[in-house]
Amino acid sequence: QQQVKQSPQSLIVQKGGISIINCAYENTAFDYFPWYQQFPGKGPALLIAIRPDVSEKKEGRFTISFNKSAKQFSLHIMDSQPGDSATYFCAARASGNTGKLIFGQGTTLQVKP
Amino acid sequence: DTGVSQDPRHKITKRGQNVTFRCDPISEHNRLYWYRQTLGQGPEFLTYFQNEAQLEKSRLLSDRFSAERPKGSFSTLEIQRTEQGDSAMYLCASSLSRKFGNSPLHFGNGTRLTVT
Repeated sequence: QQQVKQSPQSLIVQKGGISIINCAYENTAFDYFPWYQQFPGKGPALLIAIRPDVSEKKEGRFTISFNKSAKQFSLHIMDSQPGDSATYFCAARASGNTGKLIFGQGTTLQVKP
Repeated sequence: DTGVSQDPRHKITKRGQNVTFRCDPISEHNRLYWYRQTLGQGPEFLTYFQNEAQLEKSRLLSDRFSAERPKGSFSTLEIQRTEQGDSAMYLCASSLSRKFGNSPLHFGNGTRLTVT
């Protein structure tokens, strides 16, 4: 059962540009929405996260925008750099106390110099 | 760095053989999760432990799969009678569960299994 849908599947951006990755979810019981960054041969690493009572969160060049009514959230990478080239996953955590995350399918980002 | 450690990093096995993977979580973390990731997909939840208790198992975890966390520290994931469809990256993650919330999941670098 697909609970978190992520798009696009791949993205190419010029250095200095803005990268935007979108996610949509179905389950209104989700209470925490993290983004993970994964480099080849490595495990996913937490990048930034947001709770549904907040519409935007910014950490450095990374911003999450959250639209609770539309059940959508997005990651914006400002001033994209070649070092940002990686696969990005959105995720959602069900409320309750399992801590279990449901992941999107991933977006492979390539930032061209 | 005392992050999540997984061993081995790579495992090649023949169909029908049994394999076992080990995960050492961050030392103070009481929760441990196993995920499976196939090429081009996001991680899929398999199972998780709080201390030594296995609290949830996904339908993805067939009866050929078994996971343990005997003393609430490291965990093992065993796959019996491996099939080619078991080829994937097996990821372990850990977190600290507290009364008023959970810390984020921290992932290891995974064990890549290839079944020939």
